[in-house]
Amino acid sequence: DAKTTQPPSMDCAEGRAANLPCNHSTISGNEYVYWYRQIHSQGPQYIIHGLKNNETNEMASLIITEDRKSSTLILPHATLRDTAVYYCIVRAPQGTDKLIFGTGTRLQVFP
Amino acid sequence: EAQVTQNPRYLITVTGKKLTVTCSQNMNHEYMSWYRQDPGLGLRQIYYSMNVEVTDKGDVPEGYKVSRKEKRNFPLILESPSPNQTSLYFCASRKSLIQPQHFGDGTRLSIL
Repeated sequence: DAKTTQPPSMDCAEGRAANLPCNHSTISGNEYVYWYRQIHSQGPQYIIHGLKNNETNEMASLIITEDRKSSTLILPHATLRDTAVYYCIVRAPQGTDKLIFGTGTRLQVFP
Repeated sequence: EAQVTQNPRYLITVTGKKLTVTCSQNMNHEYMSWYRQDPGLGLRQIYYSMNVEVTDKGDVPEGYKVSRKEKRNFPLILESPSPNQTSLYFCASRKSLIQPQHFGDGTRLSIL
């Protein structure tokens, strides 16, 4: 699976959009991009995933560049409850179930 | 309610005393995994299972055993726990390799 690179930390003002980047320059054609978040020491929570097209759900939007080498998770109106560690993962839909989470981006939303 | 249930949630024990952390999912998922999380190291996969009676090593399998005798359960076994296995453990499951993982609430183990 392709390796991902994320900034270790980011800040965002409450009510503003939080844009979390992820670099996956070695992604292959059939690998999906997944985003999870972990609040404190709770179990990670799935947010969104995509292959090529931009995706949106009730939690967030996922923007994948045309060359697929990077993506951005957008939380449109960040709240204090969005303070968490966000993980970007890339993997193919076949083969083994091995997953590499990395250390993610710690997002701090401030009032 | 769809969920992954881990037990116990907290455990303090001593070196060498065998312990089992249970994991059960009620979503009929094929795939299950165990992770450990340590400060500064993120989530690391211990073992995973892609079907009943099929298990494989993740990145940090040393000192752990697992079994998958039935689809819903995937226990993590520490035959002879040591202090370096003190960690926060998560079990996860998913329906297919495209679908996202569902995580349990975690088990905090302290090995003295």
